[in-house]
Amino acid sequence: NAGVMQNPRHLVRRRGQEARLRCSPMKGHSHVYWYRQLPEEGLKFMVYLQKENIIDESGMPKERFSAEFPKEGPSILRIQQVVRGDSAAYFCASSPPYRVSSYEQYFGPGTRLTVT
Amino acid sequence: EDKVVQSPLSLVVHEGDTVTLNCSYEVTNFRSLLWYKQEKKAPTFLFMLTSSGIEKKSGRLSSILDKKELFSILNITATQTGDSAIYLCAVGDGSSNTGKLIFGQGTTLQVKP
Repeated sequence: NAGVMQNPRHLVRRRGQEARLRCSPMKGHSHVYWYRQLPEEGLKFMVYLQKENIIDESGMPKERFSAEFPKEGPSILRIQQVVRGDSAAYFCASSPPYRVSSYEQYFGPGTRLTVT
Repeated sequence: EDKVVQSPLSLVVHEGDTVTLNCSYEVTNFRSLLWYKQEKKAPTFLFMLTSSGIEKKSGRLSSILDKKELFSILNITATQTGDSAIYLCAVGDGSSNTGKLIFGQGTTLQVKP
């Protein structure tokens, strides 16, 4: 049973380019969460999605960041016109569809984004 | 503002020692408290606690929650070098019923041979 998959593991972008981060949840999981870990800081919640729905995006920066979880395929976190401050590790987590268990989240290995 | 605070921030021990990691929280709509171990890659799930005073155990690791005093501890007995990692504490925030986790800054544990 494969865990949460994220790719790429490392991504280097120049300022102004776009970054696309992908996440495939664990089999049987229908909830996806994205977190960001800045250097020397803890993980910070960004967005929570179910298939074809954004449920909570209260942690997403207002501009340049977007997320989706289509009916088919992985969840995508998209950062347009990246800046140096976007350099961080981006983690995806998934949980099963039962509400009581939704806090038990399983994490992927993360994508380390470096903006030069 | 909701927050989760872990202490100590870092800890160095020798193999065989017992360690206690602390996590205190101020979260208005507390639902659960979780512990994760983060090595070089994915944070791996250790425990989820929802009830006060009930210890959860897994091998040499154990954890307990005190909802009155708003803290949890993670104990590791007979530490091994493989226990070296960052230990993350997170609280499930029920304010929006969306499974959002609020993380502490982590405790970095180094176990020396």
